Amino acid sequence: GIQVEQSPPDLILQEGANSTLRCNFSDSVNNLQWFHQNPWGQLINLFYIPSGTKQNGRLSATTVATERYSLLYISSSQTTDSGVYFCAGGRGSSNTGKLIFGQGTTLQVKP
Amino acid sequence: DTGVSQNPRHKITKRGQNVTFRCDPISEHNRLYWYRQTLGQGPEFLTYFQNEAQLEKSRLLSDRFSAERPKGSFSTLEIQRTEQGDSAMYLCASRQTGPLTGELFFGEGSRLTVL
Repeated sequence: GIQVEQSPPDLILQEGANSTLRCNFSDSVNNLQWFHQNPWGQLINLFYIPSGTKQNGRLSATTVATERYSLLYISSSQTTDSGVYFCAGGRGSSNTGKLIFGQGTTLQVKP
Repeated sequence: DTGVSQNPRHKITKRGQNVTFRCDPISEHNRLYWYRQTLGQGPEFLTYFQNEAQLEKSRLLSDRFSAERPKGSFSTLEIQRTEQGDSAMYLCASRQTGPLTGELFFGEGSRLTVL
């Protein structure tokens, strides 16, 4: 099955700094999402981005499908950005469309 | 609120007891997924329903686990004879009818603690 590798596993930033999170896939995917898990455990949708680039405020994401990786950019980080970020991918051509998750990047933004 | 709804949000039980979790997907979504997340790990796929049909079950879903979606709307996940290793967050997600691509939406999760 598809393997998903996220890096770095942990990241500590000073408020206002920028960061890049990376997600590598062992095989091609045509479903790809980035999530932020809040302290209560809910997965908040950030981007659905099987290819291309999207931006939402201080966050943006780029997926290079042919190279099987995706990047999440956080600019001017705030303490509220702290938490765990997951990428997840899968192939819609399978009969379920399930997503396989990486192990996550734990981000701590210090004031 | 039209998001994915799960209950109970928290469940504490003693080893050997049975527990049941409920998931109400977004109303127009016919595809429903269950995941399990243990501490420090990413969510892991458990099972998938298209309408009332259970089309895939992970090897993680032992014979003590059973999931149903009897009328193609809400779903239940039952764990029989719970073990301490079942302690985890159980997450439900849904996706709209149509292609198997598209955004997956998750509920708030049901956290299980087995004493």
